[in-house]
Amino acid sequence: KQEVTQIPAALSVPEGENLVLNCSFTDSAIYNLQWFRQDPGKGLTSLLLIQSSQREQTSGRLNASLDKSSGRSTLYIAASQPGDSATYLCAVPLNSGNTPLVFGKGTRLSVIA
Amino acid sequence: DTGVSQNPRHKITKRGQNVTFRCDPISEHNRLYWYRQTLGQGPEFLTYFQNEAQLEKSRLLSDRFSAERPKGSFSTLEIQRTEQGDSAMYLCASSLLEGQAYTFGSGTRLTVV
Repeated sequence: KQEVTQIPAALSVPEGENLVLNCSFTDSAIYNLQWFRQDPGKGLTSLLLIQSSQREQTSGRLNASLDKSSGRSTLYIAASQPGDSATYLCAVPLNSGNTPLVFGKGTRLSVIA
Repeated sequence: DTGVSQNPRHKITKRGQNVTFRCDPISEHNRLYWYRQTLGQGPEFLTYFQNEAQLEKSRLLSDRFSAERPKGSFSTLEIQRTEQGDSAMYLCASSLLEGQAYTFGSGTRLTVV
């Protein structure tokens, strides 16, 4: 059974700081890994999708890495801004292969101006 | 393409009543997923469809829950005899194919009083 853990649960940083969010998963035979952003009371916005054959993906100030063998992914946010304040969730397929996603509980990020 | 649409956005109902939610996915997306999210938790998988076929149901989906996707387009999620424990955000997502990024709707927030 796949389980996803995200550390830390909450993080508060001053504006402009670079930061790293961590995600670990128990079954390394994943098809892909996805990072999402969720604003309070809203749905999820897909940020980055990393296929199992990839080691990282970049989008603007965001960079996600994937180390399948160790069951870990990190989301790096450069030069953080107050608008980055949200909950960040990572998700991997429930079983090996591409089946519905299982999510971590998320990291709640606050960027202070 | 206006993304994934969910209606209603909010629903307050009395315990024991039946409720139905609707999800309109991105038109060309074959896969449609339902998730439930409670405060401070990541989304939990409920069920998913490929076109009109319901391929998998979570053990979270009790007999009081039923989902349909007639003609492989929009989907409905019905909860019969609602209980206070059903209070949550119900999220719908769609994807084009296996291994593709999910697009989530804004969710339906259910409050059972």
